[in-house]
Amino acid sequence: DAGVIQSPRHEVTEMGQEVTLRCKPISGHNSLFWYRQTMMRGLELLIYFNNNVPIDDSGMPEDRFSAKMPNASFSTLKIQPSEPRDSAVYFCASSNPAYEQYFGPGTRLTVT
Amino acid sequence: AQKITQTQPGMFVQEKEAVTLDCTYDTSDQSYGLFWYKQPSSGEMIFLIYQGSYDEQNATEGRYSLNFQKARKSANLVISASQLGDSAMYFCAMREDQTGANNLFFGTGTRLTVIP
Repeated sequence: DAGVIQSPRHEVTEMGQEVTLRCKPISGHNSLFWYRQTMMRGLELLIYFNNNVPIDDSGMPEDRFSAKMPNASFSTLKIQPSEPRDSAVYFCASSNPAYEQYFGPGTRLTVT
Repeated sequence: AQKITQTQPGMFVQEKEAVTLDCTYDTSDQSYGLFWYKQPSSGEMIFLIYQGSYDEQNATEGRYSLNFQKARKSANLVISASQLGDSAMYFCAMREDQTGANNLFFGTGTRLTVIP
């Protein structure tokens, strides 16, 4: 299996621009998670899906962030408009319920 | 209250020695899972080991073992025969099963440095 795939691996954008991060979970996994990692706040869960349905989005910072999972093999995390404080590494992870989560390589986002 | 506490920001260990990374957790659930992840400098998060709250035996995976002390609510990671490649950040995490939620709560991590 190819593991969790994320794209892009690096993104540099200017403040105010829209950013879209993409994730392909491991085939057969029915839970998908988006995390953000910063030095100040560590690893934060932003949102997670079970069977393509958003279950808990309480970690989404504000309305500028949105996430979708249109099918079992694809999810997006969108930031519009982006701000410098959104600079972080964004991880996508997938699992089957009650099992370990497998993380993608992450997307390093820099907003200037 | 923090659900996962890792009190050691950094640890040093001599190559080939064993090291214990501390983790305590806080939950009122009877059923939960405990996980350790490794994050090397390259940035990826690598799953290492899992312990279920009802597992009577401590989990082991190769050189990794989880010292599970339920009454103390601790789930320390023991790495035996440390190697230079073990230098990384290590995160302890917990999943609470009672709510049916599948998300993990992570600690702040411990940076392990293996000295040659």
